Parts: sequence; C-alpha cells; structure tokens
Amino acid sequence: AQSVTQLDSQVPVFEEAPVELRCNYSSSVSVYLFWYVQYPNQGLQLLLKYLSGSTLVKGINGFEAEFNKSQTSFHLRKPSVHISDTAEYFCAVSSGYALNFGKGTSLLVTP
Amino acid sequence: EAGVAQSPRYKIIEKRQSVAFWCNPISGHATLYWYQQILGQGPKLLIQFQNNGVVDDSQLPKDRFSAERLKGVDSTLKIQPAKLEDSAVYLCASSLRLSGANEKLFFGSGTQLSVL
Repeated sequence: AQSVTQLDSQVPVFEEAPVELRCNYSSSVSVYLFWYVQYPNQGLQLLLKYLSGSTLVKGINGFEAEFNKSQTSFHLRKPSVHISDTAEYFCAVSSGYALNFGKGTSLLVTP
Repeated sequence: EAGVAQSPRYKIIEKRQSVAFWCNPISGHATLYWYQQILGQGPKLLIQFQNNGVVDDSQLPKDRFSAERLKGVDSTLKIQPAKLEDSAVYLCASSLRLSGANEKLFFGSGTQLSVL
C-alpha cells in the first residue's frame, strides 16, 4: 500500500515570495506521484506528475516539483507566487491505478 | 469540452435519512470514480467503475453505501441511512481509460453533504 504525508496543513506567504509545499510518500513498490490543486468552489485539477525519467517535473502555472527517491519526497515549489495561487494543494501517489491523496496543504497568498 | 457534472451542489439531511448523488462523466470516458473528501482530509476513493463494472469498491461502506453505473455512462451514489460522519464532499471523477500512470483524471465540483 502507498501513503502520502503532507507536512504542512497551512502555508501563508506574501505575494511574489517563493514557496515550497512538502510531500513525503511511503511505498513498497515503484510509484507515480502527482500534485493536484483545488481552487475555491472548483474541482481538483492536475498540476504536474512524475512517472519516470527526469526528477525535476514542471507543471502548469509556473509550479515544479522534484522527485527525491532517497528521501522519499516530492516537494512542490514556485519561485514567485500570485494572489491567484491561493488554493488547497494535494499530493497523491499511485502504483498505477487509484490515487491515494494526502490531507492537503492550504496555501494562502497575501499582498 | 464539457466537464464532469455533479448534482446537487449541496445537500442537507438529518441522520438516518437517505440521500443520492448523481454524476455525469465526460463523454466517452470509460472509467468513473467516486471519492469522499471529509473536511481537513484528502479525497478517499470509494468506488471505481470501468464502463458499468466495478473495478474496486474495497473502501466503500457497503452496509450503507451503494453505487451503480447503468449503461456505463452516468452514475448514482446512495447513502441509506446516513450517519453524522458521512458529512463530506463527494467527488466524482472520470478518465478515458482504466487509470494508469498516464491517465488524467477529471474531477467534478463535488456535492457537499451535511448530515445533522
């Protein structure tokens, strides 16, 4: 079985500052890793995913994440956030079928 | 392209009552999922359909929850009778094929259920 731990439930940050949302996973098999975003009153949207190959993955809206197998981490980063990035972010893991989600990190960007 | 449609958007019921949620996936998507998202937690898979067959329902509380996907298109999730701990957002998602690493899931906006 796979599981995901998102280390921060809330992350407040000022506009134009960099941000990192942390995610650690556990699994006994090879996994695929995802970050989803949920804007207020909207459905979940895929930000990016790691399947194989380059450990640095770039996604939509300027986000990127780095897969670190030795540290079993998949942290999400953005060098400069906007007010519109305020949302709930979910890390998820899959062994090829259903997704297992973390509890989410609420990113709050203020002016 | 139309997204995943869910209704109702909100539902408030008393415990022990019954409730049903409806989902219409993206046209042509063979795989449909129901997730339960309790406040402060990530979505948890309840059931996964491939066309009109069940692929995985291991986390569905079968004593009170049921789901069907007649004709392999839209789907209904029912709770009978509801308990206080069923208060959550119920998310429907669909994908073109049976989920693999390359399959993208499209999520609906969800139905927010409050059980009083």
